[in-house]
Amino acid sequence: GQNIDQPTEMTATEGAIVQINCTYQTSGFNGLFWYQQHAGEAPTFLSYNVLDGLEEKGRFSSFLSRSKGYSYLLLKELQMKDSASYLCAVRDSNYQLIWGAGTKLIIKP
Amino acid sequence: ETGVTQTPRHLVMGMTNKKSLKCEQHLGHNAMYWYKQSAKKPLELMFVYNFKEQTENNSVPSRFSPECPNSSHLFLHLHTLQPEDSALYLCASSQEGPGGGTDTQYFGPGTRLTVL
Repeated sequence: GQNIDQPTEMTATEGAIVQINCTYQTSGFNGLFWYQQHAGEAPTFLSYNVLDGLEEKGRFSSFLSRSKGYSYLLLKELQMKDSASYLCAVRDSNYQLIWGAGTKLIIKP
Repeated sequence: ETGVTQTPRHLVMGMTNKKSLKCEQHLGHNAMYWYKQSAKKPLELMFVYNFKEQTENNSVPSRFSPECPNSSHLFLHLHTLQPEDSALYLCASSQEGPGGGTDTQYFGPGTRLTVL
């Protein structure tokens, strides 16, 4: 079966750095997405990785290792508004998106 | 962000009611999607439309009936739902359908559905 694993919940302090991990077992791989979803709002696109390595976008970076079936989302200089759920999704060999259950990130002052 | 809008935002219905959810995208995209999001579970893809043609139906019960009159509008017609159907229903769109080079999905805010 296909599976995406993410921690259910994480807590971090304002101004700090947090890394949210995502591991996947899918039938094929055609890219990995990270989305942010604030409570009661739409998921919004954060990043896309299809090649190994680190993609940096301001305070957010996403890393991919295809050989390990592993990705992480790195958030720097955390702000209170970063409190949200972060969803990892992998596009399989049929170009279907397989979603993780999301990681709820709680930021404390 | 008003690229993808959904109405209503909240809906409470009885098991014998018939209601419809509406989604509209203003991004000029060609593919639209319905997802179900339940608490602490992964997004479940329900239906995919590409250029108004249904290309995916992930074993969704017939009490959910989609309609896509054009590339900008998508409906989900609901009838004789069950309490376990209570969830957040999300609509998304992408420039191209699955497999297309620009299939990053953009979501609406969802309809919070409660079935009594």
